[in-house]
Amino acid sequence: AQSVTQLGSHVSVSEGALVLLRCNYSSSVPPYLFWYVQYPNQGLQLLLKYTTGATLVKGINGFEAEFKKSETSFHLTKPSAHMSDAAEYFCAVSATGANNLFFGTGTRLTVIP
Amino acid sequence: DSGVTQTPKHLITATGQRVTLRCSPRSGDLSVYWYQQSLDQGLQFLIQYYNGEERAKGNILERFSAQQFPDLHSELNLSSLELGDSALYFCASAKYLGTDNYGYTFGSGTRLTVV
Repeated sequence: AQSVTQLGSHVSVSEGALVLLRCNYSSSVPPYLFWYVQYPNQGLQLLLKYTTGATLVKGINGFEAEFKKSETSFHLTKPSAHMSDAAEYFCAVSATGANNLFFGTGTRLTVIP
Repeated sequence: DSGVTQTPKHLITATGQRVTLRCSPRSGDLSVYWYQQSLDQGLQFLIQYYNGEERAKGNILERFSAQQFPDLHSELNLSSLELGDSALYFCASAKYLGTDNYGYTFGSGTRLTVV
C-alpha cells in the first residue's frame, strides 16, 4: 500500500527565503513520487516527478526535490521564494505502473513580502 | 489552460438529487481519472477509465458511477446526493495507462455544493 505524509499544513516564508516543504512516503514497492501545486480556484499542476534514475529532480518554477530512499522522503525545495509561489502544494505517490495517485493532505505556502 | 475541460465549473443542488459532471480529456489522452477533493477526506481517487473501459476503482461510493464514451469524454454521475458529497471533483487525463511516464493533467474541477 502507498501513503504520503506532509509535515506542516501551513508554511510561511519571507520573500527571497528558502522554501522547504516536507513529504515522507510509505510504499511496499518502489514508488513513483510527484509534487503538484494548486492555485486558488484552479486544478493541480505537476511541478516535478521522480520515477527512476537521478534522485535529484528539477521541476518548473525553480523547484526541485530529492528522493531519499533511506529516509523515505521526497522534500520539495526552492532557493528563493517568490510571491507567486503562494499556493497549496501536494505530494503524491503511486506504485510502479499503478493507475492512481495517493495524495498527502497538502501544505499551504504563504510568502510574506 | 491544461487542455482538460470540466463542466460545469459550479453546481448547487439539493439533497437527494442526481447530477452529472462532464470531462473532456486532453487531445490524444486515452485515460481519464476522477478525483474528489473535500475538506475532511482530502484528495481521493475515485475511478479510472482507459479507452472506454473501467480500469481501476478507488473510494467510489455505490451512489456514484462513471463512464467513458467513444469520443473519450467521461461523465461522473452522482445520485441520492448528501451534504457530505459537497466537494471539488477533478478530472485528469493521461496518454496511457498508469502513472509511469507522463503523470496526469488535471482539469480545473467542478465545485459541487449540496444544500
